[in-house]
Amino acid sequence: DAKTTQPPSMDCAEGRAANLPCNHSTISGNEYVYWYRQIHSQGPQYIIHGLKNNETNEMASLIITEDRKSSTLILPHATLRDTAVYYCIVRVAEDSNYKLTFGKGTLLTVNP
Amino acid sequence: DAGITQSPRHKVTETGTPVTLRCHQTENHRYMYWYRQDPGHGLRLIHYSYGVKDTDKGEVSDGYSVSRSKTEDFLLTLESATSSQTSVYFCAISDRGGWGNEQFFGPGTRLTVL
Repeated sequence: DAKTTQPPSMDCAEGRAANLPCNHSTISGNEYVYWYRQIHSQGPQYIIHGLKNNETNEMASLIITEDRKSSTLILPHATLRDTAVYYCIVRVAEDSNYKLTFGKGTLLTVNP
Repeated sequence: DAGITQSPRHKVTETGTPVTLRCHQTENHRYMYWYRQDPGHGLRLIHYSYGVKDTDKGEVSDGYSVSRSKTEDFLLTLESATSSQTSVYFCAISDRGGWGNEQFFGPGTRLTVL
């Protein structure tokens, strides 16, 4: 079963902030939350990751709740090129063989 | 972008034939991964490598084998292709282990097994 939950789709107006939520209620204390995105027909692209503090880089910001059961990826000024499927990923502690845990992903559509 | 190439980019083959996909990197990263992506399943790990000649299975390894004789090359072989192996295959690299660590993905290979 998937260990993260994301809305299947979201819309955002160009130039506005896009806020993508992810629930990961079973996350363990030493597990990171990673975000990737995949533009149509391309390989996934790393965006950002965090443990418990908020993180920011040139692409996005990651806000993790204090109980770490959910997080939000923020694209501060969305552009048309940000239209993609966004995946929230948590590494499950009991899997020693690098088994990944994937959300279903959120299709973000940025509209002009 | 990380220096990762995959070949071929597209391939159509027949059931029962052997197929080898190649992933080549110029980053000298230690870890390499093969994934497949299918509608409704997202990305699933097939095999990964944590060094030359060091490989291990992922969650969907049945019907696939891998080899890594050089740091820069990671080969994925379908010994006898089946229609269920029709998919898009992605290679990824990382300089640290564990799926959750930052990985860079190649452009993908679209494989069709008739």
